Amino acid sequence: DTGVSQDPRHKITKRGQNVTFRCDPISEHNRLYWYRQTLGQGPEFLTYFQNEAQLEKSRLLSDRFSAERPKGSFSTLEIQRTEQGDSAMYLCASSLRRLAGGANTGELFFGEGSRLTVL
Amino acid sequence: AQTVTQSQPEMSVQEAETVTLSCTYDTSESDYYLFWYKQPPSRQMILVIRQEAYKQQNATENRFSVNFQKAAKSFSLKISDSQLGDAAMYFCAYSITNAGKSTFGDGTTLTVKP
Repeated sequence: DTGVSQDPRHKITKRGQNVTFRCDPISEHNRLYWYRQTLGQGPEFLTYFQNEAQLEKSRLLSDRFSAERPKGSFSTLEIQRTEQGDSAMYLCASSLRRLAGGANTGELFFGEGSRLTVL
Repeated sequence: AQTVTQSQPEMSVQEAETVTLSCTYDTSESDYYLFWYKQPPSRQMILVIRQEAYKQQNATENRFSVNFQKAAKSFSLKISDSQLGDAAMYFCAYSITNAGKSTFGDGTTLTVKP
């Protein structure tokens, strides 16, 4: 497995434009997470999916943000009408949640992130 | 709400020496996981070590070990025989067992001096 991949790695956009990030998790992982990380801070939780169901959204996820995981595989995070405050690294992570039997470690496997710069 | 606090924004250590990174957390839960993740410059974050709260024994992974004090809600990371490749940002994280998200601290930047 090649791990979690994110695309694009870097995105520069003008204020007011829409941007979309894609995340491909590790293939057997049923959970997928989006985090935002700004310089000098730890990752802040945005949302997560179990298969195709979005189970939790942070208050940080304003109406301009939408995330989908339509077939329970890859996910997209769209930011509409970008603002300068949206500039950050957007991290995707995946994990395997065993629903019946087996141990769950809680470990997250991260991608390299998508860096957004809003001018 | 659960919070994770790392009080040391920066630490440095001499190569081959030992360093300890501090982490405290706040929770009312009894069953949870604690983690230390490493984020090298411009590279993805990876797990260094994890601890399950119900286990009294401190976790160890080669040169990395933790000091887990459940009553004090403290979870420090000790790196022995520090190597240049250990230079990175280290994040302490917390996750409720059977829940989804992990909550992260703001990290400690570790510099290793040759």
